[in-house]
Amino acid sequence: GNSVTQMEGPVTLSEEAFLTINCTYTATGYPSLFWYVQYPGEGLQLLLKATKADDKGSNKGFEATYRKETTSFHLEKGSVQVSDSAVYFCALSEAGNNRKLIWGLGTSLAVNP
Amino acid sequence: EAQVTQNPRYLITVTGKKLTVTCSQNMNHEYMSWYRQDPGLGLRQIYYSMNVEVTDKGDVPEGYKVSRKEKRNFPLILESPSPNQTSLYFCASSLRSGGGAISSYNEQFFGPGTRLTVL
Repeated sequence: GNSVTQMEGPVTLSEEAFLTINCTYTATGYPSLFWYVQYPGEGLQLLLKATKADDKGSNKGFEATYRKETTSFHLEKGSVQVSDSAVYFCALSEAGNNRKLIWGLGTSLAVNP
Repeated sequence: EAQVTQNPRYLITVTGKKLTVTCSQNMNHEYMSWYRQDPGLGLRQIYYSMNVEVTDKGDVPEGYKVSRKEKRNFPLILESPSPNQTSLYFCASSLRSGGGAISSYNEQFFGPGTRLTVL
């Protein structure tokens, strides 16, 4: 079946460091891919998305490129801030079923001043 | 303000005592869903609803019920809670996309979560 695997955390970085959170997926067809973010004590928010191969999603300085050849959707940010401390979830929606999301387990990020 | 609200935010209860967690959205969304979040297991879908009076099971529906009598509300009911239902629960909603083999995705909006402890 379809699945999402993302790197285990926690990830701890200093402010202004480069961030990469790896995400790979297994899916049939052409799923859409997403990154959601969960700030402490809050619900999840959509951070960015990509709906077809080679699409790049971007938001708030974060980027991720849909790589079909490597089945990956890695999240990157060039310079993290303390306010980026959160849990990040990679997810996919199955082709033809755009409301069922398959979730990764989440990666906790802590950014120190 | 467009939002999904859940109540209560925190609840401690005892085994077997029926409870309801309410969920309400003010965005006129057709689609609503309940998830539970557990350490090491991520988010798992409990039930979802495509529209009023249309509900279906997600991946972990056992021990839960839902209803969708109005478009804005989607309560989660635990008839006889057990300790293994201790979890963080999230409600989510989204627009229902248009037709076609591969429809454009509509962002899911999440509530703030309900932390439930069953003793």
